[in-house]
This record gives sequence, C-alpha cells and structure tokens, in this order.
Amino acid sequence: AQSVTQLGSHVSVSEGALVLLRCNYSSSVPPYLFWYVQYPNQGLQLLLKYTTGATLVKGINGFEAEFKKSETSFHLTKPSAHMSDAAEYFCAVKASSNTGKLIFGQGTTLQVKP
Amino acid sequence: GAGVSQSPSNKVTEKGKDVELRCDPISGHTALYWYRQSLGQGLEFLIYFQGNSAPDKSGLPSDRFSAERTGGSVSTLTIQRTQQEDSAVYLCASSPGGGWDTEAFFGQGTRLTVV
Repeated sequence: AQSVTQLGSHVSVSEGALVLLRCNYSSSVPPYLFWYVQYPNQGLQLLLKYTTGATLVKGINGFEAEFKKSETSFHLTKPSAHMSDAAEYFCAVKASSNTGKLIFGQGTTLQVKP
Repeated sequence: GAGVSQSPSNKVTEKGKDVELRCDPISGHTALYWYRQSLGQGLEFLIYFQGNSAPDKSGLPSDRFSAERTGGSVSTLTIQRTQQEDSAVYLCASSPGGGWDTEAFFGQGTRLTVV
C-alpha cells in the first residue's frame, strides 16, 4: 500500500530565502508522485509531477522537486521565496493504476515573512 | 466549462438533514473523484467514477454517503442524516483517464458546515 508523510505541518521562511518542503513516500510499486498547492479558499493546483525519466522535475512558479528512490523522498524546493508562495502544499502518490486515485500527505502550510 | 465546477461553494445545514453536493467535471474527462478535506484528517479519497460506473467506493465513510454520475458528466454526492463530523470541504476532481500519470484537475470545493 502507498502512503505519504510530509515532515512539518508548518514552515516559515523569509522572503527571498530557500523554500524546502519535505515529503517521504512508501510504495509497493514504482511511485508516481505529485505536489499540489492550495491557496486560501481555492482548490488544488498541480505544481509538478514525477512519473518516469528525469528525477529532477521542474514545475510552475519556480518550484522543483527531486525524486530520490534510495531515500524514498520527493522534497519540494524553490530558491527564493515570494510572498505569493504562502499557501498549503500537498505531496501525493498515485495509489493505483486502475483508478488513478491519489493518496495525500497531511499538508504543509508555508508562511512567508517580509 | 474551462475547469471543474462545484456547487454550492458553501452549505450550512442542520444536523440530521440531507445534503447534495454537485460537481461538473471538465468536458471529456472520463474519470471523476470525490475527496474530503477536514481538520485532523487531511485529504481523504471518497469515490472514483469511470464514466457512470463507480469501481472504487472504498473511501465512503458510511452508508449515509452515496454518489452518482449521469451522462458521464455531472456527479452528485449525497450525505443523508448529516452529522457534525461531516463538516469538511468536499473536493471534486476530474481527469482524462484513471491511469498512472494522468493529472487530476480539482474544483474549488464545497465547504459543508453541519450545525
């Protein structure tokens, strides 16, 4: 069975600082991994995804994530935080090839301080 | 439409009443999902539709919850005899198919408050 753990429910960074949001997964099959962002009172928006191929994945808004099989990790990074990055971030793994349903982590709220 | 549309955006209901939540997926998307987002539980899968069939209902928390999809398009999630623990944001998502690498597009959700 697949599962996702996001380390740190709240992360606070200063504007311009590095953003690092941690995600570890457990999967009995090669994982398909996703990061979604949720702004207040909005739905989830896909930031990036890893399926196969290159392990460093670039997404929207300057975010990227690296799939590390040996560490079962898929951490999300951004070199320089903007105030507009303040949101909740969810890491997810595809649970099944038959249904495509997602198993989500608990989420990490990113606060960006001026 | 351009995106996944959910209605209503907010719903306040009295304990014991039935509620219906609606989801209009992106046109042409065959797969449709319902998730629930609540404090302390995170984002939980409820049900998956492929066309009008629901091959995976494993996330429905009780028999008070049901869902249907008609015409391979609109879906309705019904909660009977609502309880306070049903208070949550209910998110709908659709995708072109149910495969490994297909992207799910989410609606803005319906915030349900049971008082």
